[in-house]
Amino acid sequence: QSALTQEASVSGTVGQKVTLSCTGNSNNIGNYAVGWYQQISHGAPKAVMFGNSLPSDIPDRFSGSKSGTTASLTISGLQAEDEADYYCSTWDKSLSGWVFGGGTKLTVL
Amino acid sequence: EVLLVASGGGLIQPGGSLRLSCTTSGFTFSNYAMTWVRQAPGKGLEWVAVIGGSPGITYYADSVKGRFTISRDNSKNTLYLQMNSLRADDTAMYSCAKLSGFGVVAQGFDIWGQGTMVTVSS
Repeated sequence: QSALTQEASVSGTVGQKVTLSCTGNSNNIGNYAVGWYQQISHGAPKAVMFGNSLPSDIPDRFSGSKSGTTASLTISGLQAEDEADYYCSTWDKSLSGWVFGGGTKLTVL
Repeated sequence: EVLLVASGGGLIQPGGSLRLSCTTSGFTFSNYAMTWVRQAPGKGLEWVAVIGGSPGITYYADSVKGRFTISRDNSKNTLYLQMNSLRADDTAMYSCAKLSGFGVVAQGFDIWGQGTMVTVSS
């Protein structure tokens, strides 16, 4: 069982706004920055957000937020190429290590 | 361009050892912490180990503690993962990634490399 909880699957249509969530606790999300990673067809993961930073090659339709022990990744104006698995990750001070969520499969209908 | 290239994977019998390498270019290697992440077939991402910009600080997932050793050679811009006492459940694609800062606790993993497959089977 993953330390961080993500939806198993989320779907949306082209142009729609979707939000993926990542729930942890005070040992991890509550006190540390969260990264979001996109993995297309089991290729190499790619950072789409870490902390408050949007990588320079990621379109600004991606945005991240955090409230308490839950982090969210929002994709505004969903595109077909956004279909992928998305993982959240952060540091966990009780485990003294990094933890990942189980991943959310985003389907673009 | 920042590049991370993992190598050293292969088929190994249970109980055997392998050393993975991650050669890097395009950034000042010694200024950043580095990590290994693995993904078993059909499964999600699992963090394995992290090392700070200076070689002294390391942390491991419980599943590999005592069997795996992460290290780095800043003169060669290369990250390593020595894997001993390998088990079937270590079978996975192993990827290296660069952290966004010097310390092991950073904003996240900003650059990932292509992985190298490790298969533990008799």
